[in-house]
Amino acid sequence: DVKVTQSSRYLVKRTGEKVFLECVQDMDHENMFWYRQDPGLGLRLIYFSYDVKMKEKGDIPEGYSVSREKKERFSLILESASTNQTSMYLCASSLSGGVDTQYFGPGTRLTVL
Amino acid sequence: ELKVEQNPLFLSMQEGKNYTIYCNYSTTSDRLYWYRQDPGKSLESLFVLLSNGAVKQEGRLMASLDTKARLSTLHITAAVHDLSATYFCAVEERVGGSRLTFGEGTQLTVNP
Repeated sequence: DVKVTQSSRYLVKRTGEKVFLECVQDMDHENMFWYRQDPGLGLRLIYFSYDVKMKEKGDIPEGYSVSREKKERFSLILESASTNQTSMYLCASSLSGGVDTQYFGPGTRLTVL
Repeated sequence: ELKVEQNPLFLSMQEGKNYTIYCNYSTTSDRLYWYRQDPGKSLESLFVLLSNGAVKQEGRLMASLDTKARLSTLHITAAVHDLSATYFCAVEERVGGSRLTFGEGTQLTVNP
C-alpha cells in the first residue's frame, strides 16, 4: 500500500512565525504535491515537484516555498505565517507515466493566531 | 486556465434513491479522477477515467466520461448511509509532468 505521511495532524502557530510542514512517501514516487483545502474552494495546488530539487508553482504559491532534497520528502514552508494561511494542508504523491493517481496524506490542520 | 465545476455542491437524499453528480471542465483533457473524502479524513481515490466514453462501476457508484462535452458524471444507485461523504472530481493536465485541478466538491448526505 502507498503510504503518505505528514509530520503533524494539528498545528497552531503565531503570526510571523516560520512554519515547516513535512511530507514523506514510501513508494518511490517521482511526483509530489502540496494543496490547501478550504470550505467551498475545493483543493488548490500550492506547489508541486516532478523530481528531486525540482519545483513548480501551482495556482496559489504566494506566501509559500518548498524544498525537495530527497525523493521521498517534500516540505512546505511558510516563511512568515499569516492568519489567512489558516487551512487544511494536504500532501500527495504519484508515479510518473501511466495512470497518475495521486495518493494523499492525512492532512495537517494549521491554525495561525 | 482550467476550471472544474461540480454540481450540486450540496446534496441531501434519502436512502434507496438515485442521483447524479455532474463535473464540467473548461479545456481539453481525456483523464478524469473521482475521489471521496470522509469527514476529518483525507482523500481516497475512487475512479480513474482515461478516455472518452469510459465507464467505471464500484458497488452503488458509477462514473462516466464524455470528453467531447467536457463532462463527467458520478451516478449513485439506491443510496445508503455509508455513501455520505464529499466527492471531488479532478481533471488532469499534462504540463511537463501531470497535475490535477479539483472541483469544489459535492457534500452528499444520505438520510435513513
